[in-house]
Amino acid sequence: GENVEQHPSTLSVQEGDSAVIKCTYSDSASNYFPWYKQELGKGPQLIIDIRSNVGEKKDQRIAVTLNKTAKHFSLHITETQPEDSAVYFCAAGLPNSGGSNYKLTFGKGTLLTVNP
Amino acid sequence: SAVISQKPSRDICQRGTSLTIQCQVDSQVTMMFWYRQQPGQSLTLIATANQGSEATYESGFVIDKFPISRPNLTFSTLTVSNMSPEDSSIYLCSAGVGLNTEAFFGQGTRLTVV
Repeated sequence: GENVEQHPSTLSVQEGDSAVIKCTYSDSASNYFPWYKQELGKGPQLIIDIRSNVGEKKDQRIAVTLNKTAKHFSLHITETQPEDSAVYFCAAGLPNSGGSNYKLTFGKGTLLTVNP
Repeated sequence: SAVISQKPSRDICQRGTSLTIQCQVDSQVTMMFWYRQQPGQSLTLIATANQGSEATYESGFVIDKFPISRPNLTFSTLTVSNMSPEDSSIYLCSAGVGLNTEAFFGQGTRLTVV
């Protein structure tokens, strides 16, 4: 099955700096790569996603890049703010055999701390 | 997007008992997913709940321990049966609206077994 590795497990940055989280996946059939932010006591919140026909996607301070050949994708957060502090999970999605929604395999998460 | 509500949000249960977690979606969805997130860990898929058919379980999860119901296109339940302290986790419901679309999560059910 799919295996997703995520690094680093913890990341501490100063407010205003950039943060980068990297993930690799094993199954070349995966074609959907979402990123989730999970704050303490809450469910994961989708912040950005990318599909395999796209190399990069941006949404304000957040960007995701995908290298299908190397099977890795990254989350970039610029101008970090204290409210960005949370656990971030990457995931790789395989089209479900039922043809409805992706089957997601998650990385182990990165605890991002943004220091004021 | 989809709004997903779970009940209860948390519970403390005695070992040997069972707990049923409810998940309600504000839109009709074909598939709903149940995940387990052990303390400080990542999300592990337990099963996919299909409306009108048996749930599909992932390796390491069995129907006797985690029976799932899916009576309609907006609702599902997960039961954690014969609980032990090792079942203490956050249980999350997820769903996506439409074909191969993004998945949204409920706020989770934090279960503690004593």
